Amino acid sequence: SAVISQKPSRDICQRGTSLTIQCQVDSQVTMMFWYRQQPGQSLTLIATANQGSEATYESGFVIDKFPISRPNLTFSTLTVSNMSPEDSSIYLCSVVWGRNQPQHFGDGTRLSIL
Amino acid sequence: GENVEQHPSTLSVQEGDSAVIKCTYSDSASNYFPWYKQELGKRPQLIIDIRSNVGEKKDQRIAVTLNKTAKHFSLHITETQPEDSAVYFCAASSLEGYGGATNKLIFGTGTLLAVQP
Repeated sequence: SAVISQKPSRDICQRGTSLTIQCQVDSQVTMMFWYRQQPGQSLTLIATANQGSEATYESGFVIDKFPISRPNLTFSTLTVSNMSPEDSSIYLCSVVWGRNQPQHFGDGTRLSIL
Repeated sequence: GENVEQHPSTLSVQEGDSAVIKCTYSDSASNYFPWYKQELGKRPQLIIDIRSNVGEKKDQRIAVTLNKTAKHFSLHITETQPEDSAVYFCAASSLEGYGGATNKLIFGTGTLLAVQP
């Protein structure tokens, strides 16, 4: 089956720093998304990563805080900028492989900010 | 905006019993409803989904029912086993543009299912 790889799997960062998370899939996908899952909570969509153009952000999420890139059909990055302890969460990418196909998730990046 | 309510938040059953998790959505435009299972420390995994043109779908011990009029959908797990223990999330989406689960997923709050051996 197709593989979704996220890196890093976990990290501990200092407040005020930034971290870039990568999502790589082994075959071309039609859509990629980024979600946040705070400890013990549900998943919240951050943005839709659009190939070759700016991401589409959900209410409460802004590009300056969560810049996203998607340079091609198999790769996307999410940066968490100027981190604070409130950003401690699991960040997950999800992908859709084709028309009328469901979303599948990567393993996530567990981020802790000290 | 779209809101998805999920109940119960926790559910404990004896092995072999059935488990039912219920969700309610608010947006009448929603027409795709997946269910994800998330084991501790793991990714959410799709276990079953249903589209609004059907009322029920089954896959072995798992079934999902949909009542569009009431905006309810439910997950039914029969003959539960300890390995069914996990957090289950329902979600709702509107099929737009590209179709399928390509529009954003709005998740329920999750149900922690514990199957006691």
